[in-house]
Amino acid sequence: DVKVTQSSRYLVKRTGEKVFLECVQDMDHENMFWYRQDPGLGLRLIYFSYDVKMKEKGDIPEGYSVSREKKERFSLILESASTNQTSMYLCASSLGKGELFFGEGSRLTVL
Amino acid sequence: DQQVKQNSPSLSVQEGRISILNCDYTNSMFDYFLWYKKYPAEGPTFLISISSIKDKNEDGRFTVFLNKSAKHLSLHIVPSQPGDSAVYFCAAKGNEKLTFGTGTRLTIIP
Repeated sequence: DVKVTQSSRYLVKRTGEKVFLECVQDMDHENMFWYRQDPGLGLRLIYFSYDVKMKEKGDIPEGYSVSREKKERFSLILESASTNQTSMYLCASSLGKGELFFGEGSRLTVL
Repeated sequence: DQQVKQNSPSLSVQEGRISILNCDYTNSMFDYFLWYKKYPAEGPTFLISISSIKDKNEDGRFTVFLNKSAKHLSLHIVPSQPGDSAVYFCAAKGNEKLTFGTGTRLTIIP
């Protein structure tokens, strides 16, 4: 079974703090994605990566950056957290075309 | 600009009856469509998919229908079971990216 593990299920941070969300997958997938889920807005793509050290902006990249130093790990970084970044963050991976496998999500609250 | 729309935020269906969830899209370049199911505090899990060259795909109680001319797809669940209560997202793939709809919360009434 594919396993996508997100390091923190729940985080509470203060405005202006730097936040790291870590994601690791164990199936040697090339593709990795970060989404955020908000009520009434569905899942929106923040960044994605098709290979190590490669990254592409999604639909809402502002205020975020990513890092992919190893194939199995894809990190989402909030350089200076703001209250409008309070959300559920979902990491996913895939092998080529087809379905994405999601982690359990990280619920971030920014005060 | 919402390219994938699920116009019903919620739906309630009696156990044993058919649940029909709808999804519309605007981008004719989408070539692959998927449905995901999400329980609270869990990540979405893949349910069923359909390629744009087909108009129907069936897997057990789940059937997805695609009407390309109307840019519309639907998910049928029959018979509906209490464990089907969840949020359902449709998603469309183009240029290797998945675009998700806003979700429909399905509640199955025992």
